[in-house]
Amino acid sequence: DIVMTQSPLSLPVTPGEPASISCRSSQSLLHSDGHNYVDWYLQKPGQSPQLLIYLGSNRASGVPDRFSGGGSGTVFTLTITRVEAEDVGVYSCMQALQAPFTFGPGTKVHIK
Amino acid sequence: QVQLQESGPGLVKPSETLSLTCTVSGDSISPYYWSWIRQPPGNGLEFIGYVYYNGITYYNPSLKSRVTISVDTSKNQFSLKLTSVTAADTALYHCARLKTGPTTGRAFDYWGQGTLVTVSS
Repeated sequence: DIVMTQSPLSLPVTPGEPASISCRSSQSLLHSDGHNYVDWYLQKPGQSPQLLIYLGSNRASGVPDRFSGGGSGTVFTLTITRVEAEDVGVYSCMQALQAPFTFGPGTKVHIK
Repeated sequence: QVQLQESGPGLVKPSETLSLTCTVSGDSISPYYWSWIRQPPGNGLEFIGYVYYNGITYYNPSLKSRVTISVDTSKNQFSLKLTSVTAADTALYHCARLKTGPTTGRAFDYWGQGTLVTVSS
């Protein structure tokens, strides 16, 4: 199975400031079609996970443009340009290149 | 708006079978893939498997010997059965739609709220 790791596991943030989360995979997630098969999810407190980013850098429907995904191969980043209070929760990356799909351990983002 | 709702017992005894159903509303169960994902308390998400609307399945090898996922298109539902459960199977169980395609890759775009299943005597 492809192993996903994330850092940091806990991220205190200040509203209005930028924040970024790193995700690494144990093997390249670059598909022959040229896309990186990595998704990002946010699980807000008391809610189910919601899709933020798919194919590494594409925002899902309704996701604010302050969220962006980047990277290629085995190193990926989720960036929030200006954190808002509603962005708190656990962020998880997931590899969708090969089944079984596997998730990172999650990064808990909280207000300082 | 697509909505998914899990249902089933919240308490299962060790060695027995966990059974959950996910009811899909707002869209047809065809022609999508439908998945189960679980989250043990304090831990990350674990992909259990998926069923295609035509019944084709894929199971995580770590659970394959104990898992069955099935679909009932007439009821717009799909189900999970996990046999011989132990305390390690205690988790929040989510159902989700797996969206696939050349421009979407593979991503879980709709999720149920999740249902907590505790394995205990």
